[in-house]
Amino acid sequence: ELKVEQNPLFLSMQEGKNYTIYCNYSTTSDRLYWYRQDPGKSLESLFVLLSNGAVKQEGRLMASLDTKARLSTLHITAAVHDLSATYFCAVPKETSGSRLTFGEGTQLTVNP
Amino acid sequence: NAGVTQTPKFQVLKTGQSMTLQCAQDMNHEYMSWYRQDPGMGLRLIHYSVGAGITDQGEVPNGYNVSRSTTEDFPLRLLSAAPSQTSVYFCASSLDHYNEQFFGPGTRLTVL
Repeated sequence: ELKVEQNPLFLSMQEGKNYTIYCNYSTTSDRLYWYRQDPGKSLESLFVLLSNGAVKQEGRLMASLDTKARLSTLHITAAVHDLSATYFCAVPKETSGSRLTFGEGTQLTVNP
Repeated sequence: NAGVTQTPKFQVLKTGQSMTLQCAQDMNHEYMSWYRQDPGMGLRLIHYSVGAGITDQGEVPNGYNVSRSTTEDFPLRLLSAAPSQTSVYFCASSLDHYNEQFFGPGTRLTVL
């Protein structure tokens, strides 16, 4: 059974600081997705990582995928308050399937 | 494009009542999914579809039915509502199994 674990689950950080959110998964997968959810809102796609070694950056966020270690990281650089949200990683159950298993989410709060 | 739309936004049901949550997308996506989101549990897949006429169960299908008669619509039916089905329900669609899933705004359901 595929398990997807994120840590930390709660993260409070100061503006300007750097931090990394980790996403570990238990079975082989060549893809991983990161989503953002603001309180009371829907999920918004952040990154699609489609191969081992994939790295994507958007603004202060950078995501990477190591399929051999079954690990993805979401790195936050010089955090700002607008990044406060819950971040989810999701992994497909099968190599050619679309059924996603989500992590529990990391609730990020950026304090001034 | 409206993207993925869901109705209603909010619903209160009594135990034993039935209802249908509507989901539609105008992006000509083949893949559609229903998730429920509960506190501390991330998102869990209820049912999914890889095209019109094709549906399959996700990880928490009990108490729910789906059908996919057109590419655009993917309704979720609650057969006999139970308090355990109190949750936020999200519909999502994607072009194929590689691309990210686009989420609707969600339906917040309370079963008394």
